[in-house]
Amino acid sequence: DTGVSQNPRHKITKRGQNVTFRCDPISEHNRLYWYRQTLGQGPEFLTYFQNEAQLEKSRLLSDRFSAERPKGSFSTLEIQRTEQGDSAMYLCASSTNRGDRGNTWYEQYFGPGTRLTVT
Amino acid sequence: KQEVTQIPAALSVPEGENLVLNCSFTDSAIYNLQWFRQDPGKGLTSLLLIQSSQREQTSGRLNASLDKSSGRSTLYIAASQPGDSATYLCAAPSRQLTFGSGTQLTVLP
Repeated sequence: DTGVSQNPRHKITKRGQNVTFRCDPISEHNRLYWYRQTLGQGPEFLTYFQNEAQLEKSRLLSDRFSAERPKGSFSTLEIQRTEQGDSAMYLCASSTNRGDRGNTWYEQYFGPGTRLTVT
Repeated sequence: KQEVTQIPAALSVPEGENLVLNCSFTDSAIYNLQWFRQDPGKGLTSLLLIQSSQREQTSGRLNASLDKSSGRSTLYIAASQPGDSATYLCAAPSRQLTFGSGTQLTVLP
């Protein structure tokens, strides 16, 4: 397994168009996360899935954004009616829970990201 | 709500120096703390993860410490090299993973 993969790596679109990104997690990981990162800032949490269930969504995830993970494997993030403010790097991460002496912790592994530019 | 702060925002050092990057967080009820490296235009690479029950972790020239009571973590880089130049991010989870804005490190040859 080569890690988390994301496609496309770069996307340029015109304002008002819809875009869809794909994330393929590490195969045995049951959790999948989406983040958005703008220049000079750390990533901001958008949403996460455990298997196919979307368990949490950030307030950053407006109704123009939708994420799916239909079979609990890959995930898609769709942005409808894109705006210039949507320009950012969209990062995907995956994790599993690993227990050690009763402690459960989740180490997240990140993909290379999709750079979105809205013109 | 968890808030994570990293100081300094940028750091430039000559090759061979030892250096310390700082991370502070407001909610001490964390499961763990994770340090990442990010090269320009790339994704994040996990460097070290410290469980809440641990006080430090080491990997090669990197050593990360965690003091939950004071809400602080440090990343120590020994004998810095130009290849260490990158942005270093710390992240503390409570309900979700919250990142600092990072420290942009430049190691000059």
